[in-house]
Formats: sequence, C-alpha cells, structure tokens
Amino acid sequence: DAGVIQSPRHEVTEMGQEVTLRCKLISGHNSLFWYRQTMMRGLELLIYFNNNVPIDDSGMPEDRFSAKMPNASFSTLKIQPSEPRDSAVYFCASRAPGGRNTEAFFGQGTRLTVV
Amino acid sequence: KQEVTQIPAALSVPEGENLVLNCSFTDSAIYNLQWFRQDPGKGLTSLLLIQSSQREQTSGRLNASLDKSSGRSTLYIAASQPGDSATYLCAVFFGNEKLTFGTGTRLTIIP
Repeated sequence: DAGVIQSPRHEVTEMGQEVTLRCKLISGHNSLFWYRQTMMRGLELLIYFNNNVPIDDSGMPEDRFSAKMPNASFSTLKIQPSEPRDSAVYFCASRAPGGRNTEAFFGQGTRLTVV
Repeated sequence: KQEVTQIPAALSVPEGENLVLNCSFTDSAIYNLQWFRQDPGKGLTSLLLIQSSQREQTSGRLNASLDKSSGRSTLYIAASQPGDSATYLCAVFFGNEKLTFGTGTRLTIIP
C-alpha cells in the first residue's frame, strides 16, 4: 500500500479563494483524522471520522472550514473563504479497525499558504 | 482536560550517547500511546505503538515505556546517530479516540 496520500503537497492561494485539500486513506482503514500544524500551536485535531461518519468536529476553527467523506477511502477538507491565518501544514491520518491495537498513519501533508 | 506534555522542547546530544525523551499525560484512561518522528518539512513517521496494557515496546535501537499510574512515557534511543536528528512527538489516544499530541522535542545529535 502506498500509505496515506494527500494532495496537493503545496498550495498557494489568494485570500478569499476556496481551497480544497484531499486525502486518500490506506485501504481497509476506517478512521480518518484531519490535523493542522503551525509553529505557534503545534498539531491540532480539526475533525475525525469513523466509518465515514464525523464523530467530533469541535476542533474546526469556524464555519469557513468543512470536511467530508464521500466514500470510505477518500476525504476532503475545504476552506471557503480562505484567510492568511489559515496558512499551515494540514495533515490527514488514517487508522485501521481494531481499537487499541492499531497505529495512526499520516500523510505527507499539504502546505497551505494564503496571501 | 486531556493534555500531553513533552519536556524539554529541544535537546542536543553528542553522537553515540544514549538518551531519553519524556512525555507526560493528564488522564490515565488512555487507549494507547504512539511515538512519531518528524523531519523538517516532512510528515510524521510512526516509530512505536504501546498499548495501555503494555509496559514497554522495542524496535531496534528504540524502546518506549509506559507508566499509566504516573501518566508518563519515555522513548529511549540507544547509541544515537546524526540521522536520529528530528522532532519526536508523543501522541495519546484517550478513551474518546482522539489522538492528542504533545508539542514535541527537537533532537539534535552532534557528530
């Protein structure tokens, strides 16, 4: 398996534009996590899904952020409209069923710059 | 509130030395604990998963221990090498299945 795949790797956009980040889970995994990493705040959990259902979105900064899982292997994180303070590295991670026996695996991240 | 703390934030060690990285967490009701490595500008690489019922886990030169009662985990690196230089992150799966991260320890191995 190629691991968790994120696209794009880098995104530069102008303030006010819509941004969509994509994530492909590892085959067979059923939990999906979106994180944001900044120097100031470290890794913050934005939202996580289990079996395609959003379980906890309390980390989503505001209504400009939305996440979906249209199927069991794919997720999107959308920011509309984007703002400079959204600049960060966004990671997704997936986890197999099995509870405490399973590791979380991370993608390589999307570096977002909003100018 | 469930929190994960890593101290120190940065550590420099001469090559060849053994070293210990520390992680503490506030809630003993953990699912498991995972150690990651992150190289600059890169993603997170899983190093070790230690389950709540385990006391330690080993992989090569790495050994992770877990003491739930005291809310602590350590990552021991034997015979350090320059290639071990990276940021090491501790993350805890609490009962609500949220993976909560510490702020990391930036390790530099001096040749």
